[in-house]
Amino acid sequence: EAGVTQSPTHLIKTRGQQATLRCSPISGHTSVYWYQQALGLGLQFLLWYDEGEERNRGNFPPRFSGRQFPNYSSELNVNALELEDSALYLCASSSGLEAFFGQGTRLTVV
Amino acid sequence: TQLLEQSPQFLSIQEGENLTVYCNSSSVFSSLQWYRQEPGEGPVLLVTVVTGGEVKKLKRLTFQFGDARKDSSLHITAAQPGDTGLYLCAQLTGGTYKYIFGTGTRLKVLA
Repeated sequence: EAGVTQSPTHLIKTRGQQATLRCSPISGHTSVYWYQQALGLGLQFLLWYDEGEERNRGNFPPRFSGRQFPNYSSELNVNALELEDSALYLCASSSGLEAFFGQGTRLTVV
Repeated sequence: TQLLEQSPQFLSIQEGENLTVYCNSSSVFSSLQWYRQEPGEGPVLLVTVVTGGEVKKLKRLTFQFGDARKDSSLHITAAQPGDTGLYLCAQLTGGTYKYIFGTGTRLKVLA
């Protein structure tokens, strides 16, 4: 069974541009979580989607947004990129008790 | 705000040594997960503990859930260089239903 897949693996953008990151959850999982992990730091909760709806968001500005599609895949959009947005963005899917992570997207803003 | 605090923050040991890392919460856990993350990769789920006092073993790793379900520990016996990584505890918070992660313990095992 396929795990959580994220694309792209690496993404380089210029300050002020927009970035779109994608996540495909494990089959049967309806919840998708997004986290930001800056270099050497812990995981900061960004967004939680379940059954196509945004259920909760972390303490991030509105330029971080996303959506969940009818097939439960998800997209994270970051507008007006800033240098400090450079980080590993992790997606996790869950069917309830446990969350399983993808390999992440390394976003670099130059 | 519910917080998960892990200790120690950093740990550097020699191959063959034993170690214990801790995870403490300001509130009662409904359940708790332990993950290991290697640089540049996503965290990998190691175990879930649910019942107070529960002990689970995964090869050389022993996970314990406190009786009051407010703390947990991970003990590694005879550490190996392959155990190097960031160890994270996490819990699903009731009500908001989001996973929160501990501050992490960064382990380095030297050959």
